[in-house]
Amino acid sequence: GQQLNQSPQSMFIQEGEDVSMNCTSSSIFNTWLWYKQDPGEGPVLLIALYKAGELTSNGRLTAQFGTTRKDSFLNISASIPSDVGIYFCAGQDGGSNYKLTFGKGTLLTVNP
Amino acid sequence: EAQVTQNPRYLITVTGKKLTVTCSQNMNHEYMSWYRQDPGLGLRQIYYSMNVEVTDKGDVPEGYKVSRKEKRNFPLILESPSPNQTSLYFCASSRGRWSYEQYFGPGTRLTVT
Repeated sequence: GQQLNQSPQSMFIQEGEDVSMNCTSSSIFNTWLWYKQDPGEGPVLLIALYKAGELTSNGRLTAQFGTTRKDSFLNISASIPSDVGIYFCAGQDGGSNYKLTFGKGTLLTVNP
Repeated sequence: EAQVTQNPRYLITVTGKKLTVTCSQNMNHEYMSWYRQDPGLGLRQIYYSMNVEVTDKGDVPEGYKVSRKEKRNFPLILESPSPNQTSLYFCASSRGRWSYEQYFGPGTRLTVT
């Protein structure tokens, strides 16, 4: 089946630093989604991307839909302690079953 | 408030004792789905439903059943739970109609001894 490679697996940064993570796929996706999961909670949708090359921001978060349609990037600027959590990418290939393929996640730790 | 709710949030049970985890959404979404999340394996889809009375298997359906009799509810049934079904379970929903943004419930942590 389809797989998403998400990197890095984990990051340890200082408060105030910028963060960048990405997802790559061997196949094309028509939609990319980015989620954040806090400990003990369900994933929360951060950003949705629908067009190749699209760049979308949500506060300090910016995500891009790669032009090859096989990758996506998430950047967090000026990190704060509440950014701690697991960030997941998810891709949808346009199939009629609405199936999302998820990356394994990036664990972000922010040191105050 | 638009949300997906799950009950119970935590459940400890014994092998073979039938259980149901409920899921409800108040957004009039057509699509609903169940996932399990395990360390190192990420989120895996168990079953999904495109609409009322329309359900289909996901990637890991063995040992689970679902039903969709009403649009808002999508219960997950474990007829005879086994220890390998110990996991964190999430229900999710989306509007459907070519909208792929899925909204997740808070999760149910299930332990089967």
